[in-house]
Amino acid sequence: GAVVSQHPSWVICKSGTSVKIECRSLDFQATTMFWYRQFPKQSLMLMATSNEGSKATYEQGVEKDKFLINHASLTLSTLTVTSAHPEDSSFYICSARDLHIGAGELFFGEGSRLTVL
Amino acid sequence: AQSVTQPDIHITVSEGASLELRCNYSYGATPYLFWYVQSPGQGLQLLLKYFSGDTLVQGIKGFEAEFKRSQSSFNLRKPSVHWSDAAEYFCAVGASMLRGATNKLIFGTGTLLAVQP
Repeated sequence: GAVVSQHPSWVICKSGTSVKIECRSLDFQATTMFWYRQFPKQSLMLMATSNEGSKATYEQGVEKDKFLINHASLTLSTLTVTSAHPEDSSFYICSARDLHIGAGELFFGEGSRLTVL
Repeated sequence: AQSVTQPDIHITVSEGASLELRCNYSYGATPYLFWYVQSPGQGLQLLLKYFSGDTLVQGIKGFEAEFKRSQSSFNLRKPSVHWSDAAEYFCAVGASMLRGATNKLIFGTGTLLAVQP
């Protein structure tokens, strides 16, 4: 199946700094990628839809200036957590759709665990 | 609005016993339904999906699920559980899988499965 890779797998940063997380589709092109956030022992909550070449669409309650999303190519979307605070600590997971496989099945990355001190 | 309910937060079964994880959804049109499995600290792996047709869907690792429109349910089953099945299981509903259309997934809160030897 198609592979989605995230980097870094985990990151620890100081409060007030910015952190960038990359999501790559390794063997397919993805015009659309999705960013999810998962708190411990909770479900995945969709944060935003990343569209190649255009602005991301954010879900209600998600601060677009806080979580900057850039989808500059068909294989890469980045999520930047700006001025991170401890409450931003979470597991961030991206997913991408391969239009050429199984009616657009979604594939998920391994996730990136962010800890803000 | 779409929603997914997984009534069981935590389930423990003995190895070799049968398993059924419950999932109920709320959606106005024909839903696209999914079951994902997540091991600790990992991303999500698709077990199976239902788009249309046969309401009994076979997935990987010996799992199956049955779509029951009258009950708005999509329960996951496995006849004989293995210790390696211990993980968290998420049911999800998607709005659309059409080419060119975004297909956001709404996830349930998950069911954590423990397997006793």
